Amino acid sequence: EAQVTQNPRYLITVTGKKLTVTCSQNMNHEYMSWYRQDPGLGLRQIYYSMNVEVTDKGDVPEGYKVSRKEKRNFPLILESPSPNQTSLYFCASGEQGMGTDTQYFGPGTRLTVL
Amino acid sequence: AQKITQTQPGMFVQEKEAVTLDCTYDTSDQSYGLFWYKQPSSGEMIFLIYQGSYDEQNATEGRYSLNFQKARKSANLVISASQLGDSAMYFCAMREILSGTYKYIFGTGTRLKVLA
Repeated sequence: EAQVTQNPRYLITVTGKKLTVTCSQNMNHEYMSWYRQDPGLGLRQIYYSMNVEVTDKGDVPEGYKVSRKEKRNFPLILESPSPNQTSLYFCASGEQGMGTDTQYFGPGTRLTVL
Repeated sequence: AQKITQTQPGMFVQEKEAVTLDCTYDTSDQSYGLFWYKQPSSGEMIFLIYQGSYDEQNATEGRYSLNFQKARKSANLVISASQLGDSAMYFCAMREILSGTYKYIFGTGTRLKVLA
């Protein structure tokens, strides 16, 4: 089954404790992306990757790191989480090109930073 | 700056009626893509429909159609024959291409409630 998986689905942590949210896709997509969703703000792109070893900042990259060492995985790293990073996080993957490309989203990770 | 605007925070529609969800966008790019996603209360993001900036015809996918008016920079979603299962949050999004890379911008969403 074609899918994007994220782990963990729920996480409660404390300020300053480094954490990683994993994202994996089995569709051989080159494009992967991370978003955060906050009430009233919609989804905002954090980082995206056009391919292995190619990453770029989205609109809200501060406080986050990513890596793309292999095509299927795109982990999101919070080196020193703060309460303002409490949010719902989505990973997505997709194909490039100007056709009917779209992004396929993971189920989301709800993060609470105390 | 590129931007997506959804001016309707919430809407109601009677079951079996049609409803239009508004979306306007702002971009200086000539080549871009427009998307609509549905987010039910369970939280997942579901792709509904896509419109390319060079597509001359409005996109349709089953009960969903995208009313694309390029000159007005609008990309409204039309849902025909609403069903109770259409109750959800709907997001309009745009893909822009910057120096060969793809960035996505989402609107703040419209919450649709279908009434029985």
